[in-house]
Amino acid sequence: QKEVEQDPGPLSVPEGAIVSLNCTYSNSAFQYFMWYRQYSRKGPELLMYTYSSGNKEDGRFTAQVDKSSKYISLFIRDSQPSDSATYLCATSENYGQNFVFGPGTRLSVLP
Amino acid sequence: ETGVTQSPTHLIKTRGQQVTLRCSSQSGHNTVSWYQQALGQGPQFIFQYYREEENGRGNFPPRFSGLQFPNYSSELNVNALELDDSALYLCASLDRANYGYTFGSGTRLTVV
Repeated sequence: QKEVEQDPGPLSVPEGAIVSLNCTYSNSAFQYFMWYRQYSRKGPELLMYTYSSGNKEDGRFTAQVDKSSKYISLFIRDSQPSDSATYLCATSENYGQNFVFGPGTRLSVLP
Repeated sequence: ETGVTQSPTHLIKTRGQQVTLRCSSQSGHNTVSWYQQALGQGPQFIFQYYREEENGRGNFPPRFSGLQFPNYSSELNVNALELDDSALYLCASLDRANYGYTFGSGTRLTVV
C-alpha cells in the first residue's frame, strides 16, 4: 500500500462547478497536510497547508483534514478554466521535513 | 514568479554518463530538498540539505548525491545514469513564513 493515495483522474467538470479532490494516507504520524497545484511543464505551487485536523479556507479553496479517517480533501468553488492543472496532496510528519506526495489528480475545467 | 531557479531546463544524456543539476534558492532559505517526478507520478523525495549538511534521504541509491553551498545554491549529481532516471527533477526551498516548500520549475532529464 502506498503511503498517500489519490485518484489520478482525469476529472472533467464544467466551468462554475464545485470540485472535490481527495487523498487518503496510511501513516498516522503525518501532521502537516498540503495541496499543491502543478501546471504542465511547471513545478508544484503551494495552494494550502493545514496542521492536524480541521478546515482551512482561502478564497475559492477549502482544505479539510480528517485524521481519524486519514482523509484529506480540497474543494474548489466556482471552478475556472484556469484551475485546469494537476493537484497534488502532500503530507509530512514534522515541520521542515520531506513531503510524501500523492500521484496527483488531473483536473480539466471546461468553458 | 518563483524564488527558486533551476538550470538547465532540459537535458539529454546517454546511459552511463554523469549529470549535475543546479538550483538557486532565495536568500535565507537554509533548507533545500530535491525531488524526482516521473511522468504521471507525484514527486519522490531524494534528499534534503540544511546549512550545507544532508539531513534526510529518500529511497535513492548512493549514485544520487548532492551539495549545498553558503550562497543558497545547491547541486544534484547523478552518476552512472540509467534509463529509469529520465524524469523531472525538482528543487524546493523551505519558505518558513508560509510553511511549505517553494518549488522551482524543474530540470527535465532524458536518458537515452
